[in-house]
Amino acid sequence: GAGVSQSPSNKVTEKGKDVELRCDPISGHTALYWYRQSLGQGLEFLIYFQGNSAPDKSGLPSDRFSAERTGGSVSTLTIQRTQQEDSAVYLCASSPDQNSPLHFGNGTRLTVT
Amino acid sequence: AQSVTQLGSHVSVSEGALVLLRCNYSSSVPPYLFWYVQYPNQGLQLLLKYTSAATLVKGINGFEAEFKKSETSFHLTKPSAHMSDAAEYFCAVSEHQGGKLIFGQGTELSVKP
Repeated sequence: GAGVSQSPSNKVTEKGKDVELRCDPISGHTALYWYRQSLGQGLEFLIYFQGNSAPDKSGLPSDRFSAERTGGSVSTLTIQRTQQEDSAVYLCASSPDQNSPLHFGNGTRLTVT
Repeated sequence: AQSVTQLGSHVSVSEGALVLLRCNYSSSVPPYLFWYVQYPNQGLQLLLKYTSAATLVKGINGFEAEFKKSETSFHLTKPSAHMSDAAEYFCAVSEHQGGKLIFGQGTELSVKP
């Protein structure tokens, strides 16, 4: 079956521009997560959506970062006024519920020039 | 609060040799522990997970890990390395069997012929 799909796979943007990264979770998965993978920083939790509950935004690094999940399915991570330190691979994952293992997408590689 | 420390950002072994990737955790609640593998340009794939049912956990591709509460460790091992095992390996901890994961920094495994 289809896995977690992320688009675009690569994104190059100029410093100061806004970007939107998209995640299509596995159908029926109620939980959705965003992580950031930076060189030397490992995997950093950003935000977590579970069903209709308020999202856990505790990992968002600044107010330039936001995410939404429409209709309990597709999610968009938005980074405003991008900075060079935002360059990283942004990984999305989904799971049937918070007690099931995560399924990861292949990520979006963001490069800010 | 939970955290994970992976000792050694890079491990190199010869084909056929023992693989040992170290992971130590910190958790104020009984932890759930995971090992994920990431092949180049791909997302993360679950290797195995500890959920308190058994301290020795067997995963895919011949990997296993042992939970040692007294040492707060969850080291990953494989008796005989294969060239296809070359990848990056991440240890993670969670308060649930899934849910929000806290990852270690990752260990890159190289396998020499």
